[in-house]
Amino acid sequence: ETGVTQSPTHLIKTRGQQVTLRCSSQSGHNTVSWYQQALGQGPQFIFQYYREEENGRGNFPPRFSGLQFPNYSSELNVNALELDDSALYLCASSFWTGFEQYFGPGTRLTVT
Amino acid sequence: RKEVEQDPGPFNVPEGATVAFNCTYSNSASQSFFWYRQDCRKEPKLLMSVYSSGNEDGRFTAQLNRASQYISLLIRDSKLSDSATYLCVVNGGSGGSNYKLTFGKGTLLTVNP
Repeated sequence: ETGVTQSPTHLIKTRGQQVTLRCSSQSGHNTVSWYQQALGQGPQFIFQYYREEENGRGNFPPRFSGLQFPNYSSELNVNALELDDSALYLCASSFWTGFEQYFGPGTRLTVT
Repeated sequence: RKEVEQDPGPFNVPEGATVAFNCTYSNSASQSFFWYRQDCRKEPKLLMSVYSSGNEDGRFTAQLNRASQYISLLIRDSKLSDSATYLCVVNGGSGGSNYKLTFGKGTLLTVNP
């Protein structure tokens, strides 16, 4: 296993609500990236955090936000949930930005 | 043109067959290349990095052609346990940024007994 953990495993929310997903990176890794994977698609990059700063962002609206903590764990926050936000949310950690990334098991979010 | 494009599949092969996956990428400034495998409803797992000289890991061989912006993965003597979706992944999206992985849509492989 990669050593990357995520919580919760599954989550059901109602449209308009807010959600926080959590990720603990692999020991020794200081970079965390978040991806959204819709059914039948490859993962789409949301953003990356390196040493507690956002290091890059994909094509996602500002209601997707994140944090990285001094221990390199991270949170993904999504406000004003929409039905299309239903997806598997994956966290990946790496030794440094640009290096190989290792994924956690994901959080499956369902928005009703 | 999509940033990373793969064979749509699916591939259905018998045990012991050789199967090849092809992938092209659009950003010539891309720096790193990978193949990940993803089992149904699980996270992607790194299968192998792809180097310019080509590299082999047991039954798996990966090739990179930077001039053609083409990546391949060959699986020899396929096993039932190879059944999964194979994702072609490029590090370095639009503008040459190296911080994100860009994934292809994936190719589903089913190995049959």
